[in-house]
Amino acid sequence: GAVVSQHPSWVICKSGTSVKIECRSLDFQATTMFWYRQFPKQSLMLMATSNEGSKATYEQGVEKDKFLINHASLTLSTLTVTSAHPEDSSFYICSASPGLAGGITDTQYFGPGTRLTVL
Amino acid sequence: SQQGEEDPQALSIQEGENATMNCSYKTSINNLQWYRQNSGRGLVHLILIRSNEREKHSGRLRVTLDTSKKSSSLLITASRAADTASYFCATDPGNTGKLIFGQGTTLQVKP
Repeated sequence: GAVVSQHPSWVICKSGTSVKIECRSLDFQATTMFWYRQFPKQSLMLMATSNEGSKATYEQGVEKDKFLINHASLTLSTLTVTSAHPEDSSFYICSASPGLAGGITDTQYFGPGTRLTVL
Repeated sequence: SQQGEEDPQALSIQEGENATMNCSYKTSINNLQWYRQNSGRGLVHLILIRSNEREKHSGRLRVTLDTSKKSSSLLITASRAADTASYFCATDPGNTGKLIFGQGTTLQVKP
């Protein structure tokens, strides 16, 4: 099946610093990738849709200036958490689908996630 | 909240028993997906059932879908300790790839 990777798998940073998380589709191209956030013992919440070659679209309540998304190529999307604070500590997961085209959705493949801890 | 409901929230069974998890959603769908998440890990896709399907099997997994009730169930037969994980259903109401996840069921299978 399709493989999505994330890097790093975990990161600890000081409050006020910025952290970049990478999401790569390893064996397929993805014009669209998705970023989710998951707090402990909770479900996944969609943060934003990453679009190759254009601006990301953010879900309501997600600060676009805080969570910068860049989809530089058909296999790479990055999420940068700027000026991180302890409340940003969470599990960040990306996903992509090789079959997303023409409005017909298909199986989403998820990365292994990145655990962010902000001290 | 747009998220669906899942029940039970937690389920503990003995190895060999069957586990059934239920999911309800709020809007019309084209398909519904089930995922497994081991603690602290990413999601693994288990099965996708389309809106015109009522039942689907994959190995020890059986998924049903009742669009009239906006509900789905996941049955794991002959459970194993390795099935211990959280299970989520997800829908894509807008057909855009944006998934809305249920709250999840945490399954513990005791050896």
